[in-house]
Parts: sequence; structure tokens; C-alpha cells
Amino acid sequence: ETGVTQTPRHLVMGMTNKKSLKCEQHLGHNAMYWYKQSAKKPLELMFVYSLEERVENNSVPSRFSPECPNSSHLFLHLHTLQPEDSALYLCASSQDRAVAKNIQYFGAGTRLSVL
Amino acid sequence: GEDVEQSLFLSVREGDSSVINCTYTDSSSTYLYWYKQEPGAGLQLLTYIFSNMDMKQDQRLTVLLNKKDKHLSLRIADTQTGDSAIYFCAETINNAGNNRKLIWGLGTSLAVNP
Repeated sequence: ETGVTQTPRHLVMGMTNKKSLKCEQHLGHNAMYWYKQSAKKPLELMFVYSLEERVENNSVPSRFSPECPNSSHLFLHLHTLQPEDSALYLCASSQDRAVAKNIQYFGAGTRLSVL
Repeated sequence: GEDVEQSLFLSVREGDSSVINCTYTDSSSTYLYWYKQEPGAGLQLLTYIFSNMDMKQDQRLTVLLNKKDKHLSLRIADTQTGDSAIYFCAETINNAGNNRKLIWGLGTSLAVNP
């Protein structure tokens, strides 16, 4: 148990569906992250939130829309996805993104399949 | 450039030592990390080392850092079948605006054979 919980663990959706991924951290951290993990590719950082403010958006298509209503919760809203968006989506949190010792704690991920 | 490289696969026999290697390119690295990912799970921090150290030991794990060659290794002594997983090397580098950025390797898949 890392203190970061992601739901759902698995999600199958059609290209016209709208769904949301949820992440909750119980660690009192200030920073939260969304990553995409695809086979044979490095971990891709998608979004970074610090104190509920989005501070990084790494050229992610607009069909992915993050939301951080408070420092403990992070959502990733999905709509009109493509089959190539099928991947493991990981949420992480850390105490403070600006410090050198940036230890990130990960959730178990949501395995997304887009049909 | 910002790059972290690892070999993709390693196979060892149970009870042997495993050595997973990583090279990085950015000389501004401050902390370097080893994360473990078991099947169906997220990444879990195993250990980390500050860039002014050259070795860190934690039970069965030994991390060696050669800053001159930008080479990091993770040695697992007495490897067990439960150690089978993907191991990721990562480094914190200084980014624009005095922020930090984590650079990740592709991961090394460790298979432990009975």
C-alpha cells in the first residue's frame, strides 16, 4: 500500500465514450502527476499539479483533461479517445515537485483499453 | 541531452546476484532512484542515492554510482523469485525555473529462474 489509490483498475471504453480516472493520495503531498505507460516506451509524464495548480502539460492531446479539485484528489477525464491511447495510466504524488529529492509514490494504475 | 538507458532484459538463477545497470547523460543529476514494478502494479521506490555518494547499501540491495562515467547500478544479492519484476532507473535533473524533472529509463525486466 503506497498511500495512492487509483480507480478503476481496469477500463474498457469505445471511442465515443466519456469516462474519468480517479486518483486519491493519503500522504499529505503537494504535487500530483499523471503518467502514461505504454509497452517499449519510457514513462510519459502527462500532467503535473502543484498545490492544485497545473504546472506542466506535456503536449497532451485535448481529449485528455485533468482536474485537481483539492490537493488529495486528481482526475483524468477522457473523451473521444483513440485505440493508441490504450495504456496503463499511473498517478503519482510527491511532497514537493521543486525539491531535488523528488520521491514519487505511485498508485497501481488504471489499465485502459480503447476499442 | 536528457537520456537514461538500461538494458531491457536480465535473467538470473535463484540465489545468484543480479546486477542491473543504468547510464545517464545529464550531469546536473542530483538524486538517482531505482523503482520496482511488479506485474499489474504501479512503481514502488526501492532505493535512491544522492549524487555526491558512490555507494549505498540497504539489506540485499547495493547501489553503486560512478559519477564520472554517469553509470548507476543496482545489485540484488541472493535473488529470489519474488524479485522478478521490471526495474526502472530514474534521475532528478534541474529544469527551467529552478524546478526539477524526473527522467526515466525504459526499465529492465528481471526474470529469476528456480
